[in-house]
Parts: sequence; structure tokens; C-alpha cells
Amino acid sequence: KNQVEQSPQSLIILEGKNCTLQCNYTVSPFSNLRWYKQDTGRGPVSLTIMTFSENTKSNGRYTATLDADTKQSSLHITASQLSDSASYICVVSEGGYNKLIFGAGTRLAVHP
Amino acid sequence: EPEVTQTPSHQVTQMGQEVILRCVPISNHLYFYWYRQILGQKVEFLVSFYNNEISEKSEIFDDQFSVERPDGSNFTLKIRSTKLEDSAMYFCASSGWGNTEAFFGQGTRLTVV
Repeated sequence: KNQVEQSPQSLIILEGKNCTLQCNYTVSPFSNLRWYKQDTGRGPVSLTIMTFSENTKSNGRYTATLDADTKQSSLHITASQLSDSASYICVVSEGGYNKLIFGAGTRLAVHP
Repeated sequence: EPEVTQTPSHQVTQMGQEVILRCVPISNHLYFYWYRQILGQKVEFLVSFYNNEISEKSEIFDDQFSVERPDGSNFTLKIRSTKLEDSAMYFCASSGWGNTEAFFGQGTRLTVV
């Protein structure tokens, strides 16, 4: 069964600190992997999207990595800000029609 | 910046009633989707729509659900006879040509009582 697993479930860090979120997936056929940020009660907003051949992609303070061999990805957030408090969701696209398989997300809280 | 818009933001309906959730995708996009998120759970794929027909649907998308693109701008999700377990946040998304990024709307919170 196609699945996306994330860890940790939740994380609390202090403002200005870095953190890394993990994602493991078993999705076939694999098309691409995305990281989304979702604020409570809002729609997901795309941070990065990586295809099979891409190992890393950055978007400002967000850097995603992908190891297609081990089916693992990570999202690194540097110099965290209070506005980074949200759920970060790893999403894998199955096949070619944007059928997205969502992870449960990591709920990040950034404290002053 | 172009965005996907959904209406209403919140809908309360009685069990057994029909509801229509509306979405206006980004204007030059070709692929349209509905997802749902039950409170506290993962976002789940419902259906994808391309070239005026369903391209893929999940097990959740049973005969009670239907989608339609009645004109050049709207994309709707209809639930014929709502059940309590249909209560969720429903997200519409759209994407452009090729396997490109999907943009999500802000969602419609459906509450079935």
C-alpha cells in the first residue's frame, strides 16, 4: 500500500534555531516528492518539489533532500521564525496525474 | 498572484441533504482535483479531473460523489446525500500542463449534523 510516514509527529524549537524533519515513503510509481506547509484551517502551500533525479532543492530558509534509493526525504529549516509554526507535510505524487499521497505531517511550534 | 478560490468557506448541512462545493481554479490550469481532510487526519485524495472527465478517483469517491466543470471557470464537488462521516475540510486544487505543482484553495469546512 502506498504510504508516506513522517517524523517526528511534533517538534518545539526556539526562534532562530534550525531543525530537520524526516519523511519515508513507499509509493509506486513515484513521480515526485513535495513538501507543503499548512497553517491550521488553511490549504497546503508548496515549499519544494523534487523529481527522481534531484537530490536537493532550496526555497529560502527551507532545504529539502531526496534519496530515491532509500526512499527518504528531509526538510531542513534554518534560522526559524515564529511564522514557521505550522504543519509540514511530506507529499509524494503517484503516477502522472498529481494523485498526491500525503503524510500526517510534523507539527512545528517555534517559541520566542 | 493567481490563486484557487473556494466557496463557501464553511457549510453546515443536515444529514441526507445534498451539498455542492464550489471552486474556481487558476485560469490557465488544466488539471483539477478534490481532496479532503477529516479533522486531525491526513489529507486524502478524492478525484482528479482532466479534459472534462475524471482521470482518477479514490475508494472514498463513491456514487454519492460527483464532479462537474459546468463552465470555463468553475469546478464543483457534489455530495448527493450527506452522511455524518462526510464532515471534513474539502480542498480543491489545480495544476498546469505536465506534472507541475498543485495549488490548493483555502478549503470548505463541511459540517454534517
